[in-house]
Amino acid sequence: EPEVTQTPSHQVTQMGQEVILRCVPISNHLYFYWYRQILGQKVEFLVSFYNNEISEKSEIFDDQFSVERPDGSNFTLKIRSTKLEDSAMYFCASSDRGLAGVDEQFFGPGTRLTVL
Amino acid sequence: GENVEQHPSTLSVQEGDSAVIKCTYSDSASNYFPWYKQELGKRPQLIIDIRSNVGEKKDQRIAVTLNKTAKHFSLHITETQPEDSAVYFCAASPPNYGGSQGNLIFGKGTKLSVKP
Repeated sequence: EPEVTQTPSHQVTQMGQEVILRCVPISNHLYFYWYRQILGQKVEFLVSFYNNEISEKSEIFDDQFSVERPDGSNFTLKIRSTKLEDSAMYFCASSDRGLAGVDEQFFGPGTRLTVL
Repeated sequence: GENVEQHPSTLSVQEGDSAVIKCTYSDSASNYFPWYKQELGKRPQLIIDIRSNVGEKKDQRIAVTLNKTAKHFSLHITETQPEDSAVYFCAASPPNYGGSQGNLIFGKGTKLSVKP
């Protein structure tokens, strides 16, 4: 069964550094998402992406964040200047509305980002 | 925007008993309500979902009910087993008026413990 994949599984960085988190969505999916989950808390929406542009973004997704689909397979989240509070698990998800209007979002395994 | 409340935050049951988790949502336009199971350190996995044109859906030991008027939905797990122990998240998906799929707004999660 196809799965969303993410790399790296764990990223440790110094405060102020830039990080890029990578995701490979399921190949025929059209909608892509980033969520984050601070340890022990709920999953929070960051941004959705469709047709090569951002569809929606939350208040968390400020100017320090950007997303890109640099080629036909990868979907990336960039944090320009990391802060301590950016430490969290970042999940990528993808979905394909299709003819049946299925809304299921498939989540990747996550990247644990630790900012020191 | 959409807000999802989830109760209880922790739930402990004996193996074989039933477990019920309840969620309420605020945006009457939300039209898709998935439930995710998350084991420690793992990705959220969809276990069941319901759309707003359906009142109840069942899949073996798991069922979800939706009351659109009251804006609440519930997860029911019967004949619980120790492997059901995990954190369960409900979510609501308001439609995106730009035309793409709506994002998921999650509840805070319920930690279910099933004691053998």
